[in-house]
Formats: sequence, structure tokens, C-alpha cells
Amino acid sequence: DQQVKQNSPSLSVQEGRISILNCDYTNSMFDYFLWYKKYPAEGPTFLISISSIKDKNEDGRFTVFLNKSAKHLSLHIVPSQPGDSAVYFCAASIIQGAQKLVFGQGTRLTINP
Amino acid sequence: EAGVTQSPTHLIKTRGQQATLRCSPISGHTSVYWYQQALGLGLQFLLWYDEGEERNRGNFPPRFSGRQFPNYSSELNVNALELEDSALYLCASSFHTQMNTEAFFGQGTRLTVV
Repeated sequence: DQQVKQNSPSLSVQEGRISILNCDYTNSMFDYFLWYKKYPAEGPTFLISISSIKDKNEDGRFTVFLNKSAKHLSLHIVPSQPGDSAVYFCAASIIQGAQKLVFGQGTRLTINP
Repeated sequence: EAGVTQSPTHLIKTRGQQATLRCSPISGHTSVYWYQQALGLGLQFLLWYDEGEERNRGNFPPRFSGRQFPNYSSELNVNALELEDSALYLCASSFHTQMNTEAFFGQGTRLTVV
């Protein structure tokens, strides 16, 4: 049972344009969501997060949007840069629940010059 | 400050053997988590250790086990290796009960079972 889904295995975007990565979840108990970025041969690194009490969180070029009614979140990267090429994982958790993050399958983002 | 470190980076084992993977958390972190990333799949939660105790485990068979030492470092043991155990094994650490909002990952151990 895949509780967190990233339905796009890959995404290709031109440098300077907006990258939009999507994530859907099924468990309505999730109340905290995170995005991680992973380069080859490295572990995932935390990028940005959002609590379910918000619908938007912004950090520089990165913005995460949360639509609780649709159980959907998205990560926007503007403008996209070549260094953004990586695999992006979304993750969800229940803050007062079991200590674990539930991850999606990941989306490979490629920024073309 | 050193991040989460894992060893070895790569490990090749034969089916039926045992594998031991090691993880050193960030200084001050008491919780260690293990995840498996098999090809084409997301990160699957394996185990959570905190203060030396196993606190939670994912949907994996008992041949996946581990422990946490008094210095909070951790070992993951995989017994009776099967071909499908080939994956990237990631360790993460956090302060006590802060995994859900903040966790830091190591670079992983790539286990190949032949």
C-alpha cells in the first residue's frame, strides 16, 4: 500500500523555467510533509517542509504548496538551475505518531541548459 | 561538524551469507533510522533505534535486525541474504523523537547480493 506517491518518475525542464514536482498521499492522518533532494552516491538532503496548518511555504527558489482536500502537494523551483538536477523525494509523517517518514518513489529532475 | 557516516560504501555478498552495515549518527543525535531503497522504489522504512532500544520496525522479515550501541552508533544485520536484498541502505539520525520533522541521512551502503 503506497501511501505517498510520486507519479512522475522523471521530469525534464529548461534552465531558467519553473520546475513543478508533484506528490499525492492517501493517509489523511499525515500532518507534516518534507521534500528531500538526492544526488547520485549521496544520501538524501532536506530541502523544505510544510505543516498541515499551512498551505504554502517558501524558501528562496523553492516553494511547497499543500492542498489538504486533494491530498496533494507540489514543489516549485523557480528559476530552475543545472545544479537542481537530482532525484526529489517527497515524504510525509504524523508528528505525534510513530517516528518514521513515509517516502514516495522519487522523481528524477533534469535541468537542460 | 561531521554528518551521518556509513560504512562500508559498497558491499558484495553471496546469497545466503550475512551482511553487516554500520552507521554513526551526528553528534548529539540519539535516534537512528534505517531505510532500504531498492531499484525503482522509494525509501522503505526498516528500523528505528533510540537510546539503545528498537522502537519500531517496518514490514521486513526478522532476518533484518540490528542494534544501537551506547555511543548511539548502529549496526544493521541482514541474515540469509537473498538476491532481492540488493539495494541502497540509508541510515538517518535525529534528536530524540524529531525524525518526523527533521532527519539527516548518510550517503548509504550499496549492498549487492550475487
